[in-house]
Amino acid sequence: EIVMTQSPATLSVSPGERATLSCRASQSVSNNLAWYQQKPGQAPRLLIYGASTRATDISARFSGSGSGTEFTLTISSLQSEDFAVYYCQQYNNWPRTFGQGTEVEIK
Amino acid sequence: EVQLVESGGGLVQPGGSLRLSCAVSGFTFSNYEMNWVRQAPGKGLEWVSYISGSGSIIYYADSVKGRFTISRDNAGNSLYLEMNSLKPDDTAVYYCAREAVADRFDYWGQGTLVTVSS
Repeated sequence: EIVMTQSPATLSVSPGERATLSCRASQSVSNNLAWYQQKPGQAPRLLIYGASTRATDISARFSGSGSGTEFTLTISSLQSEDFAVYYCQQYNNWPRTFGQGTEVEIK
Repeated sequence: EVQLVESGGGLVQPGGSLRLSCAVSGFTFSNYEMNWVRQAPGKGLEWVSYISGSGSIIYYADSVKGRFTISRDNAGNSLYLEMNSLKPDDTAVYYCAREAVADRFDYWGQGTLVTVSS
């Protein structure tokens, strides 16, 4: 099973600042990596797939990069609606596995 | 508009059974692979099970293998998860999620809560 490790667990950021979230895979997943956003009481929402492709209707504030085992999600200028938990997920191998999440909170 | 609506959750005793349903609309159901993903209270996401568009390929997480059964009714646009021998550790919100071919989970339902407790 591929283990996905996200860091940090919590990221405190002021509105308007940049946020950088990391995700590491225990073995290569090529670019088969997605990022999801989850707000309290809501289902996850797909943000990024293929490591760097924004999903439909996702703001250009969100960008993804990386391949192999190291990946990054960047939120260029945090808006109030961006404070949430973010998960990475690999879909290169079975079982599909998620990282433990990074909570982006208001500083 | 793509919609996925789960139902069937509730309170069940340890060792009991429950059947979850996911009714879908807004897309050709048989063309898409589907998954169940769960989230224990205050915890992260855990993939549970996968079924191909035809239903011929199925995978399970080790934590549910032998106890849960995924199935689908393409004519009725529904996905199911039969859960037996339930344990307290199965307590979670269960989401159904559409999968683009061997790819990301692009649409999710709102989830249904399963609580296993005596």
